[in-house]
Amino acid sequence: QVQLQESGPGLVKPSQTLTLTCTVSGDSVSSRSYYWSWIRQPAGKGLEWIGRIYTTGSTDYNPSLESRVTISLDASKNQFSLRLTSVAAADTAVYYCARDDFRRLNLNYYYMDVWGKGTRVTVS
Amino acid sequence: SYELTQPPSVSVSPGQTARITCSGDALPKTYVYWYQQKSGQAPVLVIYEDSNRPSGIPERFSGSSSGTMATLTVSGAQVEDEADYYCYSTDSSGNQWVFGGGTKLTVL
Repeated sequence: QVQLQESGPGLVKPSQTLTLTCTVSGDSVSSRSYYWSWIRQPAGKGLEWIGRIYTTGSTDYNPSLESRVTISLDASKNQFSLRLTSVAAADTAVYYCARDDFRRLNLNYYYMDVWGKGTRVTVS
Repeated sequence: SYELTQPPSVSVSPGQTARITCSGDALPKTYVYWYQQKSGQAPVLVIYEDSNRPSGIPERFSGSSSGTMATLTVSGAQVEDEADYYCYSTDSSGNQWVFGGGTKLTVL
């Protein structure tokens, strides 16, 4: 059974850098069958996809966050991480990590099929 | 930037059919995915590639897409189906992935 667990500080000061880690069990971040994504959700609001990474290190980011986001992967620990710089109150949210299945059709399709439980981050 | 539009809320009585729509300019050329999120929980995939149901998802959940609109249908909605539902898809280039704003389904 695949499980993902987010970890990191629950409180970050404005202008600082937020770093979160997702630990994967039951699967490998080195798998060539999946990508690995971060998604966030401000309280009472909708979901926002942040970005994804593949085992090769290849990344895709949401254009609205791309200048501040870095997603990396540590195969030795079976983890992947999110780094968000220059945080502000608007970055306060529950952050989820997820496994992305993908299919190469007319386009490359990615969808999150397994999610972590989420971790709440407050910028204050 | 690309947008997917959903109604904020849909309400049905138990046993009725609920239909949640998602509109987007690229939907004639792209697949849509649907997620169910119950209060305080992580989202769960209920439909992928417009109309496919993952294993473990009840048959009362179905999906369709025509033109610029996709629809999630819950046939014979049950109280436990109360949740927020989000559509998810990409623009015509495949580069920008977005969620719809979400629809709160009330069953009572």
